[in-house]
Amino acid sequence: DAKTTQPNSMESNEEEPVHLPCNHSTISGTDYIHWYRQLPSQGPEYVIHGLTSNVNNRMASLAIAEDRKSSTLILHRATLRDAAVYYCILRGLISNFGNEKLTFGTGTRLTIIP
Amino acid sequence: DTEVTQTPKHLVMGMTNKKSLKCEQHMGHRAMYWYKQKAKKPPELMFVYSYEKLSINESVPSRFSPECPNSSLLNLHLHALQPEDSALYLCASSDTGRTEAFFGQGTRLTVV
Repeated sequence: DAKTTQPNSMESNEEEPVHLPCNHSTISGTDYIHWYRQLPSQGPEYVIHGLTSNVNNRMASLAIAEDRKSSTLILHRATLRDAAVYYCILRGLISNFGNEKLTFGTGTRLTIIP
Repeated sequence: DTEVTQTPKHLVMGMTNKKSLKCEQHMGHRAMYWYKQKAKKPPELMFVYSYEKLSINESVPSRFSPECPNSSLLNLHLHALQPEDSALYLCASSDTGRTEAFFGQGTRLTVV
């Protein structure tokens, strides 16, 4: 499986934008880039995903480099509730039946400073 | 209904016990996953079921036995576990297309 590399931790001030980077230099042409986050004592929750173009939703934006070897999750205005571990994951097709592994890297622990 | 429900939330079991973890989803997802997560570590994939058939076993010891009785249910049968198997066990489901996965809140397992 293609691997992702993220900083172990980041801090940001409340109500400021946050840019969370992810490197995935061995990404294949069919891999989608997914971001999940895990709040304390909860299961991971989906944030956003994309293939080639930048994506926006109500939670965040995803900026994908032109060569697809890196991406950045953007939280436009961080709140205390955004403190979590953020995981960048590549979803790769591994069989003709559409089975896909969801393999987590170490993630980035985001701390929001009031 | 976009929930994945896991029961029980907490489980304490002895090393000679047999217990089962349950996971249920009603989103029509045909792929379901079991993960194990130790404290301060990322979730580690254990098993993947696709269309109710086991498609991936990440070399998990046989004391963990998955079962998918139907498209909505996923079980993880536990037998003769070790204290180091204590962890948060997460279930997830997704469509077999390139869409988001949904995770349950997990079962916190303690083996004594």
